[in-house]
Amino acid sequence: DVKVTQSSRYLVKRTGEKVFLECVQDMDHENMFWYRQDPGLGLRLIYFSYDVKMKEKGDIPEGYSVSREKKERFSLILESASTNQTSMYLCASSYVQGPLSGYTFGSGTRLTVV
Amino acid sequence: TQLLEQSPQFLSIQEGENLTVYCNSSSVFSSLQWYRQEPGEGPVLLVTVVTGGEVKKLKRLTFQFGDARKDSSLHITAAQPGDTGLYLCAGAPRNYQLIWGAGTKLIIKP
Repeated sequence: DVKVTQSSRYLVKRTGEKVFLECVQDMDHENMFWYRQDPGLGLRLIYFSYDVKMKEKGDIPEGYSVSREKKERFSLILESASTNQTSMYLCASSYVQGPLSGYTFGSGTRLTVV
Repeated sequence: TQLLEQSPQFLSIQEGENLTVYCNSSSVFSSLQWYRQEPGEGPVLLVTVVTGGEVKKLKRLTFQFGDARKDSSLHITAAQPGDTGLYLCAGAPRNYQLIWGAGTKLIIKP
């Protein structure tokens, strides 16, 4: 089975801290995604990457950056955490350029910024 | 902006009942997917529908893609507590990003 592993299930950080969320997939998927999920808003795309060192902004990239130095690893960085970034963060990967193969998600990181 | 609207937002029913949830858009999608998300976990893909009018069955779950590829439904027969979760639909426009609905939170009471 494809596995997408997110480094932390729960994180509590202080306002202004730099936060790193790590995601690793083990099936050689080209595409990787970072979403945040808030009640009633569904999944909102922050950034995605379709190849090593490539990144594209999603719908809500402000306050975030990403890094993909290796194919299996996609990191989300909160440059200066704020309380409105308290959310569930989900990493996903997919095999091909089109979405027909479906996305495989990690278990999520619930981030609280205080 | 392409939007996917899911209804109802919340549904609580007794075990053994049938239910249908809907996913609607004014836009055409090349394919549509349904995911189930359990508390504390990421969404898991249930099915992908591609052809207008397509019907797919997964045990007690029946998925239908509208003829015009703008809407989809998920019907559950004889719901069980294990069906409890957040059901998300996601549509694929021409590019490779999915457009997500906000989800239907389903609770099946024993």
